[in-house]
Amino acid sequence: AQKITQTQPGMFVQEKEAVTLDCTYDTSDQSYGLFWYKQPSSGEMIFLIYQGSYDEQNATEGRYSLNFQKARKSANLVISASQLGDSAMYFCAMREGDDYKLSFGAGTTVTVRA
Amino acid sequence: DTGVSQDPRHKITKRGQNVTFRCDPISEHNRLYWYRQTLGQGPEFLTYFQNEAQLEKSRLLSDRFSAERPKGSFSTLEIQRTEQGDSAMYLCASRSEASYGLADYTGELFFGEGSRLTVL
Repeated sequence: AQKITQTQPGMFVQEKEAVTLDCTYDTSDQSYGLFWYKQPSSGEMIFLIYQGSYDEQNATEGRYSLNFQKARKSANLVISASQLGDSAMYFCAMREGDDYKLSFGAGTTVTVRA
Repeated sequence: DTGVSQDPRHKITKRGQNVTFRCDPISEHNRLYWYRQTLGQGPEFLTYFQNEAQLEKSRLLSDRFSAERPKGSFSTLEIQRTEQGDSAMYLCASRSEASYGLADYTGELFFGEGSRLTVL
């Protein structure tokens, strides 16, 4: 079974608008963590944001926020005030326990339009 | 630059040849991971090291693949008798186990820029 599901293969967003990228996960562990990474066309994986399963507050990092709904097993990424440089592939990933054999989703391609 | 570095960035080889990729992690990081990413997919875990010990290998890592981290610093990933199906981006990542549980823990796994392999 897929551990991370990203159902949106591609999205278009207007510059300066917000966009939400969906991520659902599947785990039976009580301790886990969720990540979002950005991968531009150059290939490097850029860490954006992290949410631990025991964190009570939703994580935020600048224009990125993670909408963590534990009961629904979802960890959606919200990018506010989109910029042209946000155009990239975005991956949701999960660690289980202290195990960093991350499970990645298939990714969502975001294209920001001027 | 003190990030994770990988070499070479691109490698084109003929089927049947051997290739080797090198990864230099962030210097104080004791854990090092290799992932493979095929076109249009997310990365998949291959193997990881704690210091020089290889602790786990994915079933994706066939007998033609071998990884080492001889002194607990840099790591190499060798693919013998390459096949066209080996064409992918090979990503290396590292982290410090010591940071887990600290108040400023971000959970970040630091990735290199990857080594792209094309097998003709």
